[in-house]
Amino acid sequence: GENVEQHPSTLSVQEGDSAVIKCTYSDSASNYFPWYKQELGKRPQLIIDIRSNVGEKKDQRIAVTLNKTAKHFSLHITETQPEDSAVYFCASLLSGSARQLTFGSGTQLTVLP
Amino acid sequence: DSGVTQTPKHLITATGQRVTLRCSPRSGDLSVYWYQQSLDQGLQFLIQYYNGEERAKGNILERFSAQQFPDLHSELNLSSLELGDSALYFCASSVGGQAGTDTQYFGPGTRLTVL
Repeated sequence: GENVEQHPSTLSVQEGDSAVIKCTYSDSASNYFPWYKQELGKRPQLIIDIRSNVGEKKDQRIAVTLNKTAKHFSLHITETQPEDSAVYFCASLLSGSARQLTFGSGTQLTVLP
Repeated sequence: DSGVTQTPKHLITATGQRVTLRCSPRSGDLSVYWYQQSLDQGLQFLIQYYNGEERAKGNILERFSAQQFPDLHSELNLSSLELGDSALYFCASSVGGQAGTDTQYFGPGTRLTVL
């Protein structure tokens, strides 16, 4: 089955700096890669996603890049703010009839004021 | 608000008991997914239903079962509960379908505590 590895597990940055979280996936048939933000005790919220026919996608301060050859994708957050502090999960979805997301282990991002 | 609702919000029960968690998907979504998130753990996929039929199974224990009803709401049944079953249980929904990719939206979760 699909395996997703996520690094780093914890990340601390100063307010205003950039943060980068990286994920690798194992199955080349994966074709959809969402990123979720989860605050303590809350539901995971989709913040950005990318499909395999696109190499990069931006939405204001966040961006995701995808390298299909290397089978890795990354989340970039610029001009970080304290409210960006949360756990971020990457995920991948295999093409086919089963729509099962495989999640990475999560990154605890702390933005220091 | 994602449009996915889950009840109850909190559930406290004893070992050996049985509980039922309920999920209503977003309007128009045909697929429902269940996930378990234990303390300091990631999201573990349990099971998926599409338009009433089981579509995929993940790391779901035999003590756990689920179903999706004709009105598309879903229930997750957990029986013979153990201390280790204490976790956040999330439901997610998506449009579903045979091809393409679709986004999963998560409900607020049910926090289960087994004493």
